[in-house]
Amino acid sequence: EIVLTQSPGTLSMSPGDRVTLSCRASQIVINSYLAWYQHKPGQAPRLLIYDASRRATGIPDRFSGSGSGTDFTLTISRLEPEDFAVYYCQQYGNSPFTFGPGTKVDIE
Amino acid sequence: EVHLVESGGGVVRPGGSLRLSCVVSGFTFEEYGMSWVRQAPGKGLEWVSGISWNGGSTGYADSVKGRFTVSRDNAKNSLYVQMNSLRAEDTAFYFCARVRGPDYSYYAMDVWGQGTTVTVSS
Repeated sequence: EIVLTQSPGTLSMSPGDRVTLSCRASQIVINSYLAWYQHKPGQAPRLLIYDASRRATGIPDRFSGSGSGTDFTLTISRLEPEDFAVYYCQQYGNSPFTFGPGTKVDIE
Repeated sequence: EVHLVESGGGVVRPGGSLRLSCVVSGFTFEEYGMSWVRQAPGKGLEWVSGISWNGGSTGYADSVKGRFTVSRDNAKNSLYVQMNSLRAEDTAFYFCARVRGPDYSYYAMDVWGQGTTVTVSS
């Protein structure tokens, strides 16, 4: 099973800040089959990025993903108030498909 | 508009069974793989199970293998998971999700339902 580690666990930020979230895999994620999801309490998770760097439909271009192999990054170029949430990475190349523990982005 | 609606959650005793359903609308169900994902109280997301477009391929997390069975009925636009031998650690909010391609592997989950709660308690 591929273990995903996300850092940091919590980020306290302000609107307008640039945010960089990290996701590291215990093994190579084949074909960069890695996604990023945004999750707010009481809501369904929302796909932001798939295949490490492709933005999902309707996702603003302030969200971007990069990386390959075992190291991946989600960047939010300029935080909006609606971006405060928990962000999960997930690999879907090797079953069982695993999620990272999440990074909470909250308001400073 | 695409919709996924889960149902079938509830309270069940340890060792009991429950069947969750997910009815979809707004897209051609038989063209997509599907998955179940859960979130235990205070915890993160955990992928539970996946199924290909025709049900010919399925996969499970180690934590549920041998106890949970995923299935689908394309004629009814419905996804199911039969959960047997339930344990306290299966207590969670269960989401169904559409996978971006015909198989549950190699594609991210792009549309999610609102979820249903399963509580395993004596």
